[in-house]
Amino acid sequence: QKEVEQNSGPLSVPEGAIASLNCTYSDRGSQSFFWYRQYSGKSPELIMSIYSNGDKEDGRFTAQLNKASQYVSLLIRDSQPSDSATYLCAFDPTGRRALTFGSGTRLQVQP
Amino acid sequence: NAGVTQTPKFQVLKTGQSMTLQCAQDMNHNSMYWYRQDPGMGLRLIYYSASEGTTDKGEVPNGYNVSRLNKREFSLRLESAAPSQTSVYFCASRDIAGGADTQYFGPGTRLTVL
Repeated sequence: QKEVEQNSGPLSVPEGAIASLNCTYSDRGSQSFFWYRQYSGKSPELIMSIYSNGDKEDGRFTAQLNKASQYVSLLIRDSQPSDSATYLCAFDPTGRRALTFGSGTRLQVQP
Repeated sequence: NAGVTQTPKFQVLKTGQSMTLQCAQDMNHNSMYWYRQDPGMGLRLIYYSASEGTTDKGEVPNGYNVSRLNKREFSLRLESAAPSQTSVYFCASRDIAGGADTQYFGPGTRLTVL
């Protein structure tokens, strides 16, 4: 079983819709979870971090964490063409001082 | 404040050649990392340094060596490049101080090994 799994996509949504990105992880002891956005040819940038079960909102972005189900998701409301990118989830594995990344979901927002 | 810088941005090597990728951060972070990114594979950790003077292997360390020269600089060396090392290499540094946990990436080095 991979440590972290994401659907590679592409996920295509119309402009103004809600985009829902999902990630599952295998390490039950993990405490910290992150969503990074990566535009084509660029480096990843942090957009959300979440440490507790439940929802965390920041502008148009909402991260959701369910540790019992080992599931983290990212909702993007009012999706814009500028949101078109690859979204990487990451977590902090128990006993290791380095993040593990998923392979990313490519999001396409159609104008 | 430049954040994380990497040199070079692009490099083409022949099989068997050696090179060092340079990385520096000016944010006074303790932890630094080297990742490689291949299509469909996501970011895979090569080596990391949790603090000055320490280094640890990541998921794919074979064929690479690292040096944490000081708190600012963390270099990655390919002793004998192979075509399988063609990839985009990202350096990162991480701030876990004060309850905020943020990892910053450099712009990347695009390496082709012929």
